[in-house]
Amino acid sequence: GAVVSQHPSWVICKSGTSVKIECRSLDFQATTMFWYRQFPKQSLMLMATSNEGSKATYEQGVEKDKFLINHASLTLSTLTVTSAHPEDSSFYICSPDRGRGTEAFFGQGTRLTVV
Amino acid sequence: GESVGLHLPTLSVQEGDNSIINCAYSNSASDYFIWYKQESGKGPQFIIDIRSNMDKRQGQRVTVLLNKTVKHLSLQIAATQPGDSAVYFCAENRPSGNTGKLIFGQGTTLQVKP
Repeated sequence: GAVVSQHPSWVICKSGTSVKIECRSLDFQATTMFWYRQFPKQSLMLMATSNEGSKATYEQGVEKDKFLINHASLTLSTLTVTSAHPEDSSFYICSPDRGRGTEAFFGQGTRLTVV
Repeated sequence: GESVGLHLPTLSVQEGDNSIINCAYSNSASDYFIWYKQESGKGPQFIIDIRSNMDKRQGQRVTVLLNKTVKHLSLQIAATQPGDSAVYFCAENRPSGNTGKLIFGQGTTLQVKP
C-alpha cells in the first residue's frame, strides 16, 4: 500500500499558539490531500482538501483562517492550526487522493492536545 | 460534516467466534465502499473493499456483503482473534467528481474476549 508519513505523531501546545502538522506521501505523487479530524470515540470527518499549487477547499463549518493548509509539492501537505484552543484538541489524519474507486491510505495521525 | 458524530457502538465477542459488524451508508449513488480497522492512536488501516456491481467479496478471514437495496454493508470476521480488537469503520466513495473523497460511517468498537 501507499506510504504516508505524518509528523509529529503527537503534540501538546499552549492556548493561543500555532501548531504545524506535516503529511508526506512517500511513494505517490499527490496533487490532492485530504485532511480529516477525529474527536475521541467518534468517526473521521473531512475538514479540508489541499490542492498542489492552488487554494485548499474547506468543508462547511471549518474555519479556513484557523486551519491553514499548504500543499507545497506533490509529496508534502501541511496543516497549521493557528491560535489553538482546547476545543481544537483532536486527532488529525491525512490521506492522499489516489482517485475515485481506489483504496485510500492514511497517515499515522497527529494527536493534538491544547492546554 | 457528513459523518455521524455519535459515540461508537461496541460489539463484544469471544475469541474464536465469528464477528459481524454492520454499517448503513447514506448515498444510493455511492459505488465504492471500504472497510477500515483503526487501532488506538493510529490511522485507519485498509481491510477490504467492494464495488457496487458486487454483493459479496472475500478476503483472508474477512467477508464484506453489500445490500444496495437497503444501503447496508457488513463485515464478517471469521475466527475472531484478540488482535482484531479495534474500531471498524465503513467508508463510501461517492461518484461526484473523480476524487477518492470518503464519507465515513460512525464506526463500531470490536472487543475480543480471550
